[in-house]
Amino acid sequence: NAGVTQTPKFQVLKTGQSMTLQCAQDMNHEYMSWYRQDPGMGLRLIHYSVGAGITDQGEVPNGYNVSRSTTEDFPLRLLSAAPSQTSVYFCASSIGRGGHDEQFFGPGTRLTVL
Amino acid sequence: KNEVEQSPQNLTAQEGEFITINCSYSVGISALHWLQQHPGGGIVSLFMLSSGKKKHGRLIATINIQEKHSSLHITASHPRDSAVYICAVTNYGGSQGNLIFGKGTKLSVKP
Repeated sequence: NAGVTQTPKFQVLKTGQSMTLQCAQDMNHEYMSWYRQDPGMGLRLIHYSVGAGITDQGEVPNGYNVSRSTTEDFPLRLLSAAPSQTSVYFCASSIGRGGHDEQFFGPGTRLTVL
Repeated sequence: KNEVEQSPQNLTAQEGEFITINCSYSVGISALHWLQQHPGGGIVSLFMLSSGKKKHGRLIATINIQEKHSSLHITASHPRDSAVYICAVTNYGGSQGNLIFGKGTKLSVKP
C-alpha cells in the first residue's frame, strides 16, 4: 500500500494564480481531510469529506475548494492564490468518522505564494 | 485560550534520559491522539487513546479523563526521537469528530 500520497511536494505560485493540490489514498478510507500548518500554530482543518460525494468546511475554508468524486481522491483547489495561503498543506485519511480512528497523513505540500 | 495546550514548547535532553511531554485540554473528548512529526515534515500517528495507558516500545501514553490531561513518555531517549510531538483531541459531540490540535512540542535529543 502506498498509503496517503500528495503531489506536488513543493510549489511556488504568483498571487492570483490557481492550482490544485492532489491527494490520494489506497486504503479504502471513508474520511479524508485537508489541513494547513503554519509556524506557531497547530494544524488547522480546511475541508473534510466523510465519503464520496460528501464534503464540508472546516475551520479555515475561505479561498479553497474541494470535491470527492471517488473514495480514493480528494483534491484541494486554490481558486486565486494569496500570500496568506503560503503554508504547508497536509492531507489525511482515516477508516471511519474523523478523529475516532487512527489518522494517516500524506507527506505534505509546501506552498509559497509570491 | 487554546483548547489544547502542550508543554513544554521546546525540550532538549541528553541521550538516555526519560522524557515527559504534557497535553491539557479544555473540551470534552472522545479520543486523544499523539502524533510525531519528523524533521523532514512527515506526520505519523503514535497513539490513540480514550482511557488508561498504552505502550509501544519505548513510548508510553497515559490519559486522565477527569483531569483532562495526557502525558507522552519516552524512556531511554535516543537522537532519532528528535521530532515535534503533537497532541490532538476529538471533540466529543463535535462535527464529524474532527480533531483539535495542539501547537506541538519540539524535542531534541543530544548524543
